[in-house]
Amino acid sequence: GENVEQHPSTLSVQEGDSAVIKCTYSDSASNYFPWYKQELGKGPQLIIDIRSNVGEKKDQRIAVTLNKTAKHFSLHITETQPEDSAVYFCAAKRDSSYKLIFGSGTRLLVRP
Amino acid sequence: GAVVSQHPSRVICKSGTSVKIECRSLDFQATTMFWYRQFPKKSLMLMATSNEGSKATYEQGVEKDKFLINHASLTLSTLTVTSAHPEDSSFYICSARDPNRDGYTFGSGTRLTVV
Repeated sequence: GENVEQHPSTLSVQEGDSAVIKCTYSDSASNYFPWYKQELGKGPQLIIDIRSNVGEKKDQRIAVTLNKTAKHFSLHITETQPEDSAVYFCAAKRDSSYKLIFGSGTRLLVRP
Repeated sequence: GAVVSQHPSRVICKSGTSVKIECRSLDFQATTMFWYRQFPKKSLMLMATSNEGSKATYEQGVEKDKFLINHASLTLSTLTVTSAHPEDSSFYICSARDPNRDGYTFGSGTRLTVV
């Protein structure tokens, strides 16, 4: 079945450094790739998403890149701040399905 | 826009009782809502897809008689955990898809503790 692998499971960076989280999907028909940030005790919040007809999308300090051939997509956070500390989930979906297939999550810690 | 409200945020109940969790889309109509369960330090596990006006679609291994889902209107879906047991203790999260947008919006989650 469809699968999304996410790495690393934990990531610790110094404030101001960049953080990169990578995901690989198995369903070649996937064409929508959102990223969610989940703070402790809360529901996931969409931070950025990308469709398969675009290779890169940026929103201030956050960017997502997509390599359709390799079935990889990545989240890039620049100039990290302590409030970026959270669990980040990638997901993939195809148009013909309502289901989001989630990665296993990455716990990001930004050290002050 | 695209706000999903989930209540309660926390609930403690005794074994054998039932608990109802509500999920509301506040500024859009959602024909489809989703219920997830999340174990500590784990990813979201889809339990069921809730369809307005029809029966929910449950994922494999999820007991439909245990987790009752009702989607009676375009803005409200409810999950009732029946005859709760301590192993049902978990973080339950709903989400809804705004048909006018690409994304899925999640509720704030419900921490259920069964004692």
